[in-house]
Amino acid sequence: AQSVAQPEDQVKVAEGNPLTVKCTYSVSGNPYLFWYVQYPNRGLQFLLKYITGDNLVKGSYGFEAEFNKSQTSFHLKKPSALVSDSALYFCAVRDMRSDKLIFGTGTRLQVFP
Amino acid sequence: NAGVTQTPKFRVLKTGQSMTLLCAQDMNHEYMYWYRQDPGMGLRLIHYSVGEGTTAKGEVPDGYNVSRLKKQNFLLGLESAAPSQTSVYFCASSGVGRNTEAFFGQGTRLTVV
Repeated sequence: AQSVAQPEDQVKVAEGNPLTVKCTYSVSGNPYLFWYVQYPNRGLQFLLKYITGDNLVKGSYGFEAEFNKSQTSFHLKKPSALVSDSALYFCAVRDMRSDKLIFGTGTRLQVFP
Repeated sequence: NAGVTQTPKFRVLKTGQSMTLLCAQDMNHEYMYWYRQDPGMGLRLIHYSVGEGTTAKGEVPDGYNVSRLKKQNFLLGLESAAPSQTSVYFCASSGVGRNTEAFFGQGTRLTVV
């Protein structure tokens, strides 16, 4: 069965520093991978996706993610964090056999001034 | 272009009552999903649909039923509400192929007393 793991409940970084939010996945076949962000009392917003091609994917608001097939990981990164990046981040994987879209438990990012 | 619209936004039910949550999308998407979000649990897939007239079970389907009679609408029903169904419910829709990122509604906050 497909699954997504976000091993950190919370990540704290100082503004201006690089940030990484970790995600590992398990799925049969080739994965479609996604990152979403959720601000308080809002729905989820799409940040970026990996379908195929380059392992480094660029998305909205300066975020990028690196797909690593051997480590089954899809970590979210940003070179310089902003206080406004503070939010809840979700990794998700689509199983192409069942078409299920499965999410991780989320990582709360806190960027302090 | 409204995107994904959920109705209602808030609801309080008594144990044993029934209700239907409505999700409507105007993007002509094939896939639609219902999730529930609980603290520390992330988003868990309840039911999903890969096209008009189809439905399938997700990770936590018990106590819920769904219908997709029209492509643009996906209904989530609670036949006999229980306090354990207190949650925030999100609907999402997505296209197929490379346009497979999901778009989310703003959520429905349901409390069962």
